This record gives sequence, structure tokens and C-alpha cells, in this order.
Amino acid sequence: GDSVTQMEGPVTLSEEAFLTINCTYTATGYPSLFWYVQYPGEGLQLLLKATKADDKGSNKGFEATYRKETTSFHLEKGSVQVSDSAVYFCALSVRLGQNFVFGPGTRLSVLP
Amino acid sequence: NAGVTQTPKFQVLKTGQSMTLQCAQDMNHNSMYWYRQDPGMGLRLIYYSASEGTTDKGEVPNGYNVSRLNKREFSLRLESAAPSQTSVYFCASNKRGTYNEQFFGPGTRLTVL
Repeated sequence: GDSVTQMEGPVTLSEEAFLTINCTYTATGYPSLFWYVQYPGEGLQLLLKATKADDKGSNKGFEATYRKETTSFHLEKGSVQVSDSAVYFCALSVRLGQNFVFGPGTRLSVLP
Repeated sequence: NAGVTQTPKFQVLKTGQSMTLQCAQDMNHNSMYWYRQDPGMGLRLIYYSASEGTTDKGEVPNGYNVSRLNKREFSLRLESAAPSQTSVYFCASNKRGTYNEQFFGPGTRLTVL
């Protein structure tokens, strides 16, 4: 079946450090890929998305590129801030948005 | 435009009690979903409704029932709560027929004693 694997963390970085959170997937179809962010006590918010191979999603300094050959969608940010501390979820959808599959989430803590 | 709203935000139940979690969206979305979030498990789909009048089981439907009351509202019912249902519950919605993202509510934190 469809699945998403991501590093579970927790990941602890100092402010202004470079961030990478790895995400790989398996899917029977041609999925769309998403990164969601969850701040403490809140629901999930869409951070970025990509719907076809080689697409790059970007938002708030975060980027991820849809790599079909490696079935990956790694999240990167060049310089993290304390306010980026949250849980990040990689997700895919293969049936026209009908049913998402989420990874386990990666908790990021950024220290001042 | 409130997006997706959920009530209540917190709830404590005793084993065997019943309750209904309410969800509403004002974005005119066709599809709605109920997830539970447990530590280390990510989000798991309980039930979803692709359109008004239809509901389908997700990954973990046992112990739950749902009602798609109209296009806006999708409720989740626990008939006889068990401690294993202690979790955070999220409702979500999206447009049907495209690869559109899901929009999430703020969640309901449920504890079953």
C-alpha cells in the first residue's frame, strides 16, 4: 500500500542552522506530495506542496523538490528560527485528494 | 471565513460513556475527514465522506460512527468510549476531484478514563 517514511526526530538545531528533514514515499499511482506543519496546540497547516515530478514547493523559506527517481520529497530551510519549532508531517495523495497518507511527523526544536 | 471548526476542544469521558464530536467547514468543500493523532503514530484516518450523503471507513474505524449531516457538517460518534480511544481528533476537509490540500480544524483532545 501507499506509505510515507520520514525521520522521526526529535531534531534540535541552533538558530540560523540549516535544516533537512528527509521524506521518502511508496505509492501505487502518481502522487501529489505535501509538507504540513503543526505548532503546539494547533491543527495541521499546509506548508508547501508539489503535484508532479521536479516541481519545487516553497513557502516561508522552506523548500522541497519532488524527486520521482528517488521517491523523495525532502524538506529544507537555509536558516531556521526559534519560531520554526513545530512538528512537520510529510504526506501524499494518490486518489485525487480523496485519501491522504501521512508520515509519523518530525519534531523540530530550534534553540536561540 | 472560519475554515474548519471543531467542538469541543477538550473532553474527559469515563469508560462506556458516549459522545459526539462536531465538525463544520465553511469553504464549500465536498470531502470531509476524521483523523486521530497518537504519539509516534502520525495521523490515522478513521472515516471520510467524499461528498454529502456518503461515508466510508478509513484505516481505524472500529468503535466509531459518523454522520454527514449536510455539506458543511461531519460528526464523529463514540458509542461506548474505551481508554484506547484517548487521542487528539482532527477534522479536515478539501475539494473533491483535484489534488488539493486538506484543511484542518484545531482538534479535540479526548481522554477516556
